[in-house]
Amino acid sequence: DAGVIQSPRHEVTEMGQEVTLRCKPISGHDYLFWYRQTMMRGLELLIYFNNNVPIDDSGMPEDRFSAKMPNASFSTLKIQPSEPRDSAVYFCASTRTSGKYNEQFFGPGTRLTVL
Amino acid sequence: GQSLEQPSEVTAVEGAIVQINCTYQTSGFYGLSWYQQHDGGAPTFLSYNALDGLEETGRFSSFLSRSDSYGYLLLQELQMKDSASYFCAVSGPDRGSTLGRLYFGRGTQLTVWP
Repeated sequence: DAGVIQSPRHEVTEMGQEVTLRCKPISGHDYLFWYRQTMMRGLELLIYFNNNVPIDDSGMPEDRFSAKMPNASFSTLKIQPSEPRDSAVYFCASTRTSGKYNEQFFGPGTRLTVL
Repeated sequence: GQSLEQPSEVTAVEGAIVQINCTYQTSGFYGLSWYQQHDGGAPTFLSYNALDGLEETGRFSSFLSRSDSYGYLLLQELQMKDSASYFCAVSGPDRGSTLGRLYFGRGTQLTVWP
């Protein structure tokens, strides 16, 4: 079975540019989470969806960040305009209500560098 | 709010036993999870405790005391491949979501020496 798929794996962009990160959750999972990981702040939850509906976006840093989940098999995290402080590894994770203890399955991450 | 405390670093030698502690403060609590993350990799699930006591999975065991808001991950017969970061995470209610969400600690970097 395929795990969580994220693209791109690496992204280098210049300040002010728009960045779009993509995620395909595991088939059958009804929860999708977006995390950001940095040395300074650790692993932070940005937003999560249940059945494609955003449940908690309180971790989204500011209006420059937006996330969508148009269907059960696809989600995007967009940063517009990007800033150097957005440089981080962004993880997408999924799980299912009927599964085990909110065991989250993480994708390989997107390493974002904003110059 | 939620807060979790765990040591930032632990070192040990191959074959040894190491314990990584985690204390937490939370306004709602479902259970305590542990995740492992190798350098450059993604976090992967190790264990979950909802009730007090010890859960064993091979060389790894996890313990929870709800009354003390405390848990630990015990790694036995350490191997070089166990060198990684280990995160405790509290699962708690959130905005009516059935599963709630995870609140992660800052992670403990375990280095295993030969």
